Amino acid sequence: GENVEQHPSTLSVQEGDSAVIKCTYSDSASNYFPWYKQELGKRPQLIIDIRSNVGEKKDQRIAVTLNKTAKHFSLHITETQPEDSAVYFCAAGYGNNRLAFGKGNQVVVIP
Amino acid sequence: EPEVTQTPSHQVTQMGQEVILRCVPISNHLYFYWYRQILGQKVEFLVSFYNNEISEKSEIFDDQFSVERPDGSNFTLKIRSTKLEDSAMYFCASSEIPSTDTQYFGPGTRLTVL
Repeated sequence: GENVEQHPSTLSVQEGDSAVIKCTYSDSASNYFPWYKQELGKRPQLIIDIRSNVGEKKDQRIAVTLNKTAKHFSLHITETQPEDSAVYFCAAGYGNNRLAFGKGNQVVVIP
Repeated sequence: EPEVTQTPSHQVTQMGQEVILRCVPISNHLYFYWYRQILGQKVEFLVSFYNNEISEKSEIFDDQFSVERPDGSNFTLKIRSTKLEDSAMYFCASSEIPSTDTQYFGPGTRLTVL
């Protein structure tokens, strides 16, 4: 099955700086790559996703890049704000409809 | 904005007991999923469900697990005889279509097996 690795496990950034989280996946057939944000005690919320026919996607301060050859994808958050502090999960969609998740990344934005 | 809902938010049970976790998917969605997250570990896929039958299941989803859509709105996960290692957060999700469509997650049910 698919195996998704996520690095680093924790990331601290100064407010206003950029944060980058990287994920790798193992199954070249995976074709859908969402990112979820989970605040403490709340549900995972989709923040951005990318499909395998696209290399980059941007939504305001958030962007995702995909390198299919290297089988990795990254989340970029620019101009970080305290409310960006959360756990971020990457995932890869494979098979008919299952998602394989990374272990999550705790992002701490220091005011 | 419609959301997936789950009940209860926290369930405590004795080992060997049966539990039923309930979910109400978003109303126009056709695909339903259960995931679990053991404390400190990855979110893991358990099962997907479409058209009143299981579409895919993982190796975790053994004979002690079952899913059902008992009516037009609820989607349930039953664990027949709970074990200590079943303690986890269980998330329900739904999507309009499978594969590359967005899956919307519920708030989760924290299951504690004593």
